[in-house]
Amino acid sequence: DGGITQSPKYLFRKEGQNVTLSCEQNLNHDAMYWYRQDPGQGLRLIYYSQIVNDFQKGDIAEGYSVSREKKESFPLTVTSAQKNPTAFYLCASSIGQGRNTEAFFGQGTRLTVV
Amino acid sequence: DQQVKQNSPSLSVQEGRISILNCDYTNSMFDYFLWYKKYPAEGPTFLISISSIKDKNEDGRFTVFLNKSAKHLSLHIVPSQPGDSAVYFCAASGFLMNYGGSQGNLIFGKGTKLSVKP
Repeated sequence: DGGITQSPKYLFRKEGQNVTLSCEQNLNHDAMYWYRQDPGQGLRLIYYSQIVNDFQKGDIAEGYSVSREKKESFPLTVTSAQKNPTAFYLCASSIGQGRNTEAFFGQGTRLTVV
Repeated sequence: DQQVKQNSPSLSVQEGRISILNCDYTNSMFDYFLWYKKYPAEGPTFLISISSIKDKNEDGRFTVFLNKSAKHLSLHIVPSQPGDSAVYFCAASGFLMNYGGSQGNLIFGKGTKLSVKP
């Protein structure tokens, strides 16, 4: 079954700790994305990667870091510098290659920082 | 500065009637528009899309209309069913220079919560 998998579904961390959210896809997509959803805010783009070993900041990249060492994987690290990390995080992928296509989303990770 | 706007946070419709969800955009570089449906604590699922070279695209009960001169699109659901109750997000993409000229990055509106009552 092709798809995009985020893990874990729920994550609790203490304030001041870094935490890494996993995102894996087996759709052979070039492009991958991280979004954050807050109540009443829609989905806001954190980072995106159009190709392996390359990634760019989105609208709200401060306090986050990513890597794209493999085509299938695009992990997101929420660092202690992120002032308000509690949110619902969504990973997505698309064909990329400069084409306008739909993106496919994972099931999301709910991060709660206490 | 919001580039994709969904000005109605919520919409309530009777089962069997038409649901019309609206979306406005400001960036004239957008050339591809999508609608997603989202249930709580799940990822959005793609519904329907439209390219800027068209003004209408239909898929079953779902139709998207695009008015480029008004920078406005709408999603029509006919007939509405209780299972359609969800949050609907409008999204847009294009060659956006503030994203390094990359095409394909989706910019989302804030969503409209649709409730279809039996």
